[in-house]
Amino acid sequence: EPEVTQTPSHQVTQMGQEVILRCVPISNHLYFYWYRQILGQKVEFLVSFYNNEISEKSEIFDDQFSVERPDGSNFTLKIRSTKLEDSAMYFCASSVWGNTEAFFGQGTRLTVV
Amino acid sequence: GQNIDQPTEMTATEGAIVQINCTYQTSGFNGLFWYQQHAGEAPTFLSYNVLDGLEEKGRFSSFLSRSKGYSYLLLKELQMKDSASYLCAVRDRGSQGNLIFGKGTKLSVKP
Repeated sequence: EPEVTQTPSHQVTQMGQEVILRCVPISNHLYFYWYRQILGQKVEFLVSFYNNEISEKSEIFDDQFSVERPDGSNFTLKIRSTKLEDSAMYFCASSVWGNTEAFFGQGTRLTVV
Repeated sequence: GQNIDQPTEMTATEGAIVQINCTYQTSGFNGLFWYQQHAGEAPTFLSYNVLDGLEEKGRFSSFLSRSKGYSYLLLKELQMKDSASYLCAVRDRGSQGNLIFGKGTKLSVKP
């Protein structure tokens, strides 16, 4: 069964460093998303991406964050200068259309020290 | 504002039926989703309602009343592996798939 894959599964980084989280969405899906979940809290929307551009973003997705689809398969989230409060599980998701169910990857646990 | 409420925790017995409620107040509505999330894992899609009524999918059913801003997830013949968090999520009208999640209901199934 096709699935969304994310790498790495766990990343530890020092405060102020840049990190890139990688995702391979399901191949026939057109909409891609990043969500995050701080430990013990709810899943929060960060950004959606369609047709090679951002279609929606939340207040969390400030200038520190950027997304890119560098090739036909990968979808990346970059955090330019990490802060302690960026520590969370980051989930990539994809859906066929914007109004269909989203399928989530296994997540990248980001720990900022 | 956007608000989704669900009970924090529930406990049920193996083989029983449990109903997890969700109420929402959002600026618009374009569908309600239920996801299952085991600890430390990704949310897994369970069901989707956009019209009023009951959607049945094996041991899981989900109900929606748009006029009441209310949904429930019904789990029948509970198994130990159903112990997980159940997340209610609403898609806003006009949204390109952006889901607003509730805090989740942690269900513990006991023998």
